[in-house]
Amino acid sequence: DAKTTQPTSMDCAEGRAANLPCNHSTISGNEYVYWYRQIHSQGPQYIIHGLKNNETNEMASLIITEDRKSSTLILPHATLRDTAVYYCIVRSGTYKYIFGTGTRLKVLA
Amino acid sequence: GAVVSQHPSRVICKSGTSVKIECRSLDFQATTMFWYRQFPKQSLMLMATSNEGSKATYEQGVEKDKFLINHASLTLSTLTVTSAHPEDSSFYICSARSLGSYEQYFGPGTRLTVT
Repeated sequence: DAKTTQPTSMDCAEGRAANLPCNHSTISGNEYVYWYRQIHSQGPQYIIHGLKNNETNEMASLIITEDRKSSTLILPHATLRDTAVYYCIVRSGTYKYIFGTGTRLKVLA
Repeated sequence: GAVVSQHPSRVICKSGTSVKIECRSLDFQATTMFWYRQFPKQSLMLMATSNEGSKATYEQGVEKDKFLINHASLTLSTLTVTSAHPEDSSFYICSARSLGSYEQYFGPGTRLTVT
């Protein structure tokens, strides 16, 4: 499974867009990018996933570069409740997820 | 939809005793369930993968005789920590996926404290 690299922490002002980058330079053609977040002392929550096209749902948008070596999760209007650790995961043909260190996002009032 | 529950949410046990943690998929049939552990300020570490009716597959370095996993039905998996020691104190999280789906849905976690 491809390894992911994310910044350790980020701050974002409430109401502004939060852009969380992820580097997955060793990703291969059939590997999907998944994003989850974990609010303190809870289980991870699914956000979005994609293969090569950009994706959007009610929670966020996922932008994947053309070479697929990196992606960005966008929370369009961050709220205090979006404060969490965000994990970028690359999944191959197996069902296993290998979690990286994640980005600790703090939304500031 | 896709709700996974865990019981208990937190447990304290004495060193040397065993403790069982249940993971249930409430509104779907879980073909595969996964068990993770998480130490404070660290990421989730996959311990094992279990398919309904089959023996669990453990990740390298995880003692299968210490962490017993049973996945006897499509909605229930259990993790038993045998002869628990203080170093087993951790946050244990399960997840589940249904047939034909790659997404994993996570339970709320169980905090185990061994005294």
